[in-house]
Amino acid sequence: EAGVAQSPRYKIIEKRQSVAFWCNPISGHATLYWYQQILGQGPKLLIQFQNNGVVDDSQLPKDRFSAERLKGVDSTLKIQPAKLEDSAVYLCASSQAPRADTQYFGPGTRLTVL
Amino acid sequence: AQTVTQSQPEMSVQEAETVTLSCTYDTSESNYYLFWYKQPPSRQMILVIRQEAYKQQNATENRFSVNFQKAAKSFSLKISDSQLGDTAMYFCAFMEYGNKLVFGAGTILRVKS
Repeated sequence: EAGVAQSPRYKIIEKRQSVAFWCNPISGHATLYWYQQILGQGPKLLIQFQNNGVVDDSQLPKDRFSAERLKGVDSTLKIQPAKLEDSAVYLCASSQAPRADTQYFGPGTRLTVL
Repeated sequence: AQTVTQSQPEMSVQEAETVTLSCTYDTSESNYYLFWYKQPPSRQMILVIRQEAYKQQNATENRFSVNFQKAAKSFSLKISDSQLGDTAMYFCAFMEYGNKLVFGAGTILRVKS
């Protein structure tokens, strides 16, 4: 069974530029999560999708971050414009059921904002 | 708000020895899940072990086992016969039914040869 796929693995941008990350969950997993992991900290949930609908985006900085999951499969997370404090690893995870099941993580995208 | 505390920022263990990583959490709920995830330098977060709070028996997965003390809100991970490949950041995580996954700050484990 293929795992959660993410791309790119690394991205370096200047502040105020925009960037997008892509995630493809495990086949059949209806729930998809985006996490932000700042160096030295545990992951923090940014947004959760159930199929193509948003379940929780309470910790997503909506003035600069956006995410979509068209057709209920893969998802894109965008930052526009980026700030220095957005430097982090962005992890995507998926699960079969919303929040009552184990989450499986992708390899992450390391973003550096200069 | 639920919190997860990992009081050991770093741990070291000799190859083939046993090490225990500590985790405590705070909740007023009686039904929840607890997890240990491993994150090697490659960054892939891998599930190590999972425990459901209503189960009395401690979970075990090969060399990995937990000591779940519900009254004390403690969930420690024991790694037996440590291997070099166990070197990683270990995260304790907590999830109430129908709620989000909350992670601790992590413990860096270094296995020495």
